[in-house]
Parts: sequence; structure tokens; C-alpha cells
Amino acid sequence: DTAVSQTPKYLVTQMGNDKSIKCEQNLGHDTMYWYKQDSKKFLKIMFSYNNKELIINETVPNRFSPKSPDKAHLNLHINSLELGDSAVYFCASSQGNSGRDEQFFGPGTRLTVL
Amino acid sequence: GEDVEQSLFLSVREGDSSVINCTYTDSSSTYLYWYKQEPGAGLQLLTYIFSNMDMKQDQRLTVLLNKKDKHLSLRIADTQTGDSAIYFCAESTGGFKTIFGAGTRLFVKA
Repeated sequence: DTAVSQTPKYLVTQMGNDKSIKCEQNLGHDTMYWYKQDSKKFLKIMFSYNNKELIINETVPNRFSPKSPDKAHLNLHINSLELGDSAVYFCASSQGNSGRDEQFFGPGTRLTVL
Repeated sequence: GEDVEQSLFLSVREGDSSVINCTYTDSSSTYLYWYKQEPGAGLQLLTYIFSNMDMKQDQRLTVLLNKKDKHLSLRIADTQTGDSAIYFCAESTGGFKTIFGAGTRLFVKA
């Protein structure tokens, strides 16, 4: 029944490692997003995909590479993890891109880089 | 540039009204939102308002929009302990990008 799901919920890893976070939505939405929420709760958009195409790519290091194998999935791969990557990463989806569309958020993945 | 600002903390007593304020800079903002984030969870849309509206009421929630001052507020009547959460103001110009404020932490004292 979960609308937007993310795995894993918690991820603890060493600096320099490569890790992936997966996101799936079963709402039939066309648009998916990745957000980063830092320790002060600031929420910043990282990427947005519409119908599997990259639409928004904010100023994000190219160590972060999103991949959308189909409309229901948007995964985030992070290479050479750094301490500053520690944050909660939220996936979200919306029906379209009209702006009035509600974004549905996943539960978040708490990434801790040691 | 686009920016959304909110005060970071608000503390109220149970049963009182809470008013959370937000200012935004993009005059072309078309949609303005309030999202709620409970501990350990993702954001959930509470309500939204179109820029051509001044007010929207939904049960205990009242949203007021002053477009001239670019000021948005969320009033929660009869605040309950279950309303304790972080409330995010957000704006969109109708495209894919939604800009979020830093969130206001609402503490409700019993």
C-alpha cells in the first residue's frame, strides 16, 4: 500500500565508498524527485525526472548520478562518499509538472558517512 | 532569485491557535503550499493556495496570502499535541521546481 517507498531506510558507510538508494512509487505518477535534507532540516531539490527524462539537475556534484529505469523508479547512486553527504535523502513523486500537483514523499533514507 | 523564509521555532499551549508565517521572493509564484513533517517521516501536503486567492480554510487550518507583501501564513485553530511537527512553506511557479522554506518547528505544550 505504500505510495512512495525507499530502500534502505538507514545507510551507514565509510568515506570513499559507493552506495545506491532506491525509490519506487506505485501511484502512476509521471514525475519523480530527489531531495536532500541536512541536519538543520533544510530541504533542497537535487534532481527531477519526468517520464524518465532528467528535467532538473541542481548544483549537485557529479558523484551523484540518478537513474530512472522506468516511470515508477528513480534510483540515486553516489560515488566516493564524503562526510558532507551525510543527510536524509527523500524521494518524491507527483502526477505532472503543473506545480499544483501535490508531491508525495517517501519516508527518507538517513545516510551517515563515517 | 527564489527564496522562501520562515521563522524556525514556535511554541504554543494546547488549545491555543498557532500562526506560522512565511515570506517568499518570487512574484511569479503561482502555487503556495504548506507541508507537514512528523519525526522520522517524509513531508505530507497539508494544504495549498493559488496565487489568485487571499484565503483558504480547511477545517482547523486557515491559509492567508498577501500577494503584495509576498507573505503567507498558516493558522491552526485549537492546536493539539499531535500537531507538533515541522511545517514547511513552499512555492512553485508552475513548473517542476518547488522551493521549500527551512521549516518551522511547532512545539505544543500540554
